[in-house]
Amino acid sequence: AQSVTQLDSQVPVFEEAPVELRCNYSSSVSVYLFWYVQYPNQGLQLLLKYLSGSTLVESINGFEAEFNKSQTSFHLRKPSVHISDTAEYFCAVSEGGSQGNLIFGKGTKLSVKP
Amino acid sequence: NAGVTQTPKFQVLKTGQSMTLQCAQDMNHEYMSWYRQDPGMGLRLIHYSVGAGITDQGEVPNGYNVSRSTTEDFPLRLLSAAPSQTSVYFCASMWGPRTGELFFGEGSRLTVL
Repeated sequence: AQSVTQLDSQVPVFEEAPVELRCNYSSSVSVYLFWYVQYPNQGLQLLLKYLSGSTLVESINGFEAEFNKSQTSFHLRKPSVHISDTAEYFCAVSEGGSQGNLIFGKGTKLSVKP
Repeated sequence: NAGVTQTPKFQVLKTGQSMTLQCAQDMNHEYMSWYRQDPGMGLRLIHYSVGAGITDQGEVPNGYNVSRSTTEDFPLRLLSAAPSQTSVYFCASMWGPRTGELFFGEGSRLTVL
């Protein structure tokens, strides 16, 4: 069965510092990988996704994630964070060719301090 | 387009009461699902549907019922509410299983006393 582990429940960081949010998954088949972001009192929004092709994927607001099959990881990075990046981030996985159900990690709360 | 619309946004129930959380999407998405979000637990899949007339169970289906009579609507019914069902519920939809981009509603916060 698929599972997703987000290694850090909370990550505090100062503005303009780099950040990495870690995500590992377990699956015996090919997978699709996603990062979603949830701002306070809102639903989740897709940040970026890996379906196939280049293992490095980027979002429009400067985040990137790299699919590492050998390490079964999909860590999220940003070289310089802003106050507005404060949110909860969820890693998710679905098995390619399946019904498409996404399995979510428990989330990482990113807190950017001035 | 309104996207995914959930009602009500807030609800307080007493143990044993029943209620229905409504979900509608206007994007003609085949796939719809319900998740619950609890602190420190992430999102857990309750039920999902891959098209009108087709529903299936997710990870935590007990105590919930769904139906999908139209493409647009996917209501979630709580049959006999329990305090353990106090949670934030999210409805989400997507085009199909290989696109991966779920569109979420704003959530429904349910408290069971």
